[in-house]
Amino acid sequence: SQQGEEDPQALSIQEGENATMNCSYKTSINNLQWYRQNSGRGLVHLILIRSNEREKHSGRLRVTLDTSKKSSSLLITASRAADTASYFCATDAGSDKLIFGTGTRLQVFP
Amino acid sequence: DVKVTQSSRYLVKRTGEKVFLECVQDMDHENMFWYRQDPGLGLRLIYFSYDVKMKEKGDIPEGYSVSREKKERFSLILESASTNQTSMYLCASSFSGRYLNTEAFFGQGTRLTVV
Repeated sequence: SQQGEEDPQALSIQEGENATMNCSYKTSINNLQWYRQNSGRGLVHLILIRSNEREKHSGRLRVTLDTSKKSSSLLITASRAADTASYFCATDAGSDKLIFGTGTRLQVFP
Repeated sequence: DVKVTQSSRYLVKRTGEKVFLECVQDMDHENMFWYRQDPGLGLRLIYFSYDVKMKEKGDIPEGYSVSREKKERFSLILESASTNQTSMYLCASSFSGRYLNTEAFFGQGTRLTVV
């Protein structure tokens, strides 16, 4: 399997705290993406980082990429209850085929 | 807005039935995907199509086939449904990587129960 892994599997924090999720993958990539899934629904794209980039920001999201370690992290700053969801990383395995990880379930308590 | 539409939100089928899951996208995307999602296992790729009539197997193609006769439509076929195919099925589409923006858009999912 080419599937990557997210760590931790589950994360519980209070509103206002930062949430950090990590992703490890197995193959060379062109880019890495992060997605969010609210309970029982389809996934929504959050951010894409290319293999030649090391860090990218979008609003309260910060993504880092270390291709030498085949890993990425997603930081959500000043979390809100509405950030409660599952978060997945996805890699392209060097082609257009999109491979997802196992996901991190984030619970943000008011 | 990009729209990926899956034909059913919920389906209940009997063991041994042939099941068709349909997916339509309206953004002229080259790529289309079928995943299944099970608790603790994340999204696993069943099949990927990068053009009409073109397909590649994903990580778990056994027991499934696909059809892409038109660019906007990608069908997943369970040849003979079994209880271990009870799952959430997600369809997605994206532009080809040569356009650089390979963000995938997802349908709402089909929760299939095989009894």
